[in-house]
Amino acid sequence: AQKVTQAQTEISVVEKEDVTLDCVYETRDTTYYLFWYKQPPSGELVFLIRRNSFDEQNEISGRYSWNFQKSTSSFNFTITASQVVDSAVYFCALSEAGQGAQKLVFGQGTRLTINP
Amino acid sequence: DGGITQSPKYLFRKEGQNVTLSCEQNLNHDAMYWYRQDPGQGLRLIYYSQIVNDFQKGDIAEGYSVSREKKESFPLTVTSAQKNPTAFYLCASSAQPHERGYTDTQYFGPGTRLTVL
Repeated sequence: AQKVTQAQTEISVVEKEDVTLDCVYETRDTTYYLFWYKQPPSGELVFLIRRNSFDEQNEISGRYSWNFQKSTSSFNFTITASQVVDSAVYFCALSEAGQGAQKLVFGQGTRLTINP
Repeated sequence: DGGITQSPKYLFRKEGQNVTLSCEQNLNHDAMYWYRQDPGQGLRLIYYSQIVNDFQKGDIAEGYSVSREKKESFPLTVTSAQKNPTAFYLCASSAQPHERGYTDTQYFGPGTRLTVL
């Protein structure tokens, strides 16, 4: 069975600090996809990134970066120089690969608060 | 503007009533999904549909029903059989992957918050 664990329930930092959100996953599949979504107070889930299991390159997008390590089954997310607008709940999710619609398995989410 | 719309944003239901949540997308996506989110928890899959006139149960389908008569629409009915319906409901859609070993990204609507009075 697939499982995603986000051990950090809540994180609070002061603006401009760097912060890393942890994500550990379990799957027996050799091909799978990992995702990060942001949920601001409005409630809508905003897609941030998708990574497939064969692509272990780290990715950077502005102040956001992602570190994918298959050896430790982790897909961590770092925000550099955090800003108040980064305050949200962040979800890591896992999906099988295959034809047809695929279920997303979500972690519990990490509530990130950036204080001015 | 392409996207997913859900209505209403807030919904109040009396015990014993059925209510229907609307989800519409104009992204030309084949697959659509319904998730439920409870406070402090991640999302759980209720139902999903890969194509018109076809849908499958997710992990927590009991007390819910869906239909998929049009590609653009995937309404969810919360029946009186659902014991704890108060939650935040999110609809999503994705393009249908036609290659084995490929999964497309799911995009989400703004959600409907259902409260049972």
